[in-house]
Amino acid sequence: NAGVTQTPKFQVLKTGQSMTLQCAQDMNHNSMYWYRQDPGMGLRLIYYSASEGTTDKGEVPNGYNVSRLNKREFSLRLESAAPSQTSVYFCASSDGGRAWEQYFGPGTRLTVT
Amino acid sequence: QKEVEQDPGPLSVPEGAIVSLNCTYSNSAFQYFMWYRQYSRKGPELLMYTYSSGNKEDGRFTAQVDKSSKYISLFIRDSQPSDSATYLCAIRGGSNYKLTFGKGTLLTVNP
Repeated sequence: NAGVTQTPKFQVLKTGQSMTLQCAQDMNHNSMYWYRQDPGMGLRLIYYSASEGTTDKGEVPNGYNVSRLNKREFSLRLESAAPSQTSVYFCASSDGGRAWEQYFGPGTRLTVT
Repeated sequence: QKEVEQDPGPLSVPEGAIVSLNCTYSNSAFQYFMWYRQYSRKGPELLMYTYSSGNKEDGRFTAQVDKSSKYISLFIRDSQPSDSATYLCAIRGGSNYKLTFGKGTLLTVNP
């Protein structure tokens, strides 16, 4: 099992460009999450999807959109990138009944210039 | 007041030392308490979780929760260089799905 996979691993964008971060999990988990991690700020939840067909805002949703494409895939879109969105983005998944046990992907390092 | 406070360190100890990592939280309604470990340039991975006051032991690791003081700790005995990582405490927040993470403590164990 690959667990949680994320693409791309690295990306450099110019201000105003758009991109989609892809995430997939093969553990048949119901819930999926997008976090960003910044120095001195820790992990902050951007959006989460408790189950297929539902999405909810987390702590820092502004400037992002998400799509729960199916049970396996959960994408994060930046419509108009800003330098403040420079960060490391992690996708995670969990079984619905064990939400405390989240499995994380390897991360995407995004730089917006 | 932030929901979870964690001293970011960094913490540097010699091999074999006992390490103590700590977090405080503000909401007494929180029920699940986790410790995640994150190696450099990797995603976090769950190390331990507990949902009651007291101690939970797993090998060299002990998680301790004191709900009366809203204080959680992770102890590492006989620390090894392979324990060098960032340790993040996490609590389960108001919903069943959301976790709130501390900022993480960077630990270096020197051979």
